Amino acid sequence: GENVEQHPSTLSVQEGDSAVIKCTYSDSASNYFPWYKQELGKGPQLIIDIRSNVGEKKDQRIAVTLNKTAKHFSLHITETQPEDSAVYFCAARRDSNYQLIWGAGTKLIIKP
Amino acid sequence: SAVISQKPSRDICQRGTSLTIQCQVDSQVTMMFWYRQQPGQSLTLIATANQGSEATYESGFVIDKFPISRPNLTFSTLTVSNMSPEDSSIYLCSARDNNQPQHFGDGTRLSIL
Repeated sequence: GENVEQHPSTLSVQEGDSAVIKCTYSDSASNYFPWYKQELGKGPQLIIDIRSNVGEKKDQRIAVTLNKTAKHFSLHITETQPEDSAVYFCAARRDSNYQLIWGAGTKLIIKP
Repeated sequence: SAVISQKPSRDICQRGTSLTIQCQVDSQVTMMFWYRQQPGQSLTLIATANQGSEATYESGFVIDKFPISRPNLTFSTLTVSNMSPEDSSIYLCSARDNNQPQHFGDGTRLSIL
């Protein structure tokens, strides 16, 4: 069945450094790729998303890149800050499907 | 973006009882979803709540255990029936409109004694 693999499961970076989280999807028809941030005690919050007709999208310190040929997409966070500490989830979906297929999550720890 | 409110935010229940979780969206949406999330785990879709018709359940989830209502385009409920300790989890409501991103409530943290 459809699958999304996410790595690493835990990522620890020094404050101010960059963090990169990678996801690989199996369904070549997937064309929508959101990233969510989940803080302790909260629901997942959409932070950025990308469609398959775009290779890269940026929003301030956050960027997402998509490689359709390799079927993988990555979240890049630059100049990390303590408030970036959270669990990040990637997901994938095709427009004809209602369901998001989720990655397993990455716990991002920002060291002061 | 849609704002989603869930009630209760947490509860502790006795085994064998049932709990109904409410989800209110601040705008009309075509799709509403219910997820379960075990601590430290990813999200598992329980069902899609369909307005005016029966919910669509994912494999491993049945209507008798998780009855869902969706009386209109802004509101849905999930009932966890005949609870056992294995039902202890976080239950999340989510919603999206056509061609719009999917958003989540803050969840209901359920513990069964």
